[in-house]
Amino acid sequence: SYVLTQPPSVSVAPGETATITCGGDDIGSKSVHWYQQRPGQAPVVVVYDDSDRPSGIPERISGSKSGNTATLTITRVEAGDEAAYYCQVWDATSDHDLFGGGTKLTVL
Amino acid sequence: QVHLVQSGAEVKKPGASVKVSCRTSGYTFSDHFIYWVRQAPGQGLEWMGWINPKSGGTNFAQKFQDRVTMTRDTSINTASMDLSNLGIDDTAVYYCARRKRHDAGHYYTYYFDHWGQGTQVSVTS
Repeated sequence: SYVLTQPPSVSVAPGETATITCGGDDIGSKSVHWYQQRPGQAPVVVVYDDSDRPSGIPERISGSKSGNTATLTITRVEAGDEAAYYCQVWDATSDHDLFGGGTKLTVL
Repeated sequence: QVHLVQSGAEVKKPGASVKVSCRTSGYTFSDHFIYWVRQAPGQGLEWMGWINPKSGGTNFAQKFQDRVTMTRDTSINTASMDLSNLGIDDTAVYYCARRKRHDAGHYYTYYFDHWGQGTQVSVTS
């Protein structure tokens, strides 16, 4: 079955850049979406279709994709960015969805 | 404004069933699939399945095929998820989410643009 692989944790200092990866076979052919989940809250989409941002999401948060890896980048990291981040893809063949295991971003 | 409001927390014994509801407002209920996603304590998000509010059609993750039922009541814009034969490892927060279609010209994709607040289901003897 298809698997999306994320690092369990990433730590950065305030003001630095956080990079969170999401790997999967042939991910280049799929659209990748990213969600932020703060403790005790429901997830919120921060990037959809690899690199588009919903309204209200700051430009500091961006998505990209290259080869078998999608990347979520957060520049000028703030304390409020501390959260878990999940990648997600939709499989057109089965009409199923899959989440990566999630990455806990810690702001030092 | 789009809202998804879920029913309250539940405590169940092993072997019992639970029903979680998701009342929607602020959009045309039949225009968007409703998904169910769960999150066990300290764990990641797990996709369970979806229901098409227009047709009532469903699609489930294989793991839940034998135990889950998803229904909708279009008169009150509400979707529901029933999970039977509960085990301790079904203890989780259960979320409903609205599926959003994104048309990129030569292809389309889906993501979840609005979520319910979550419903805690605890299974304990």
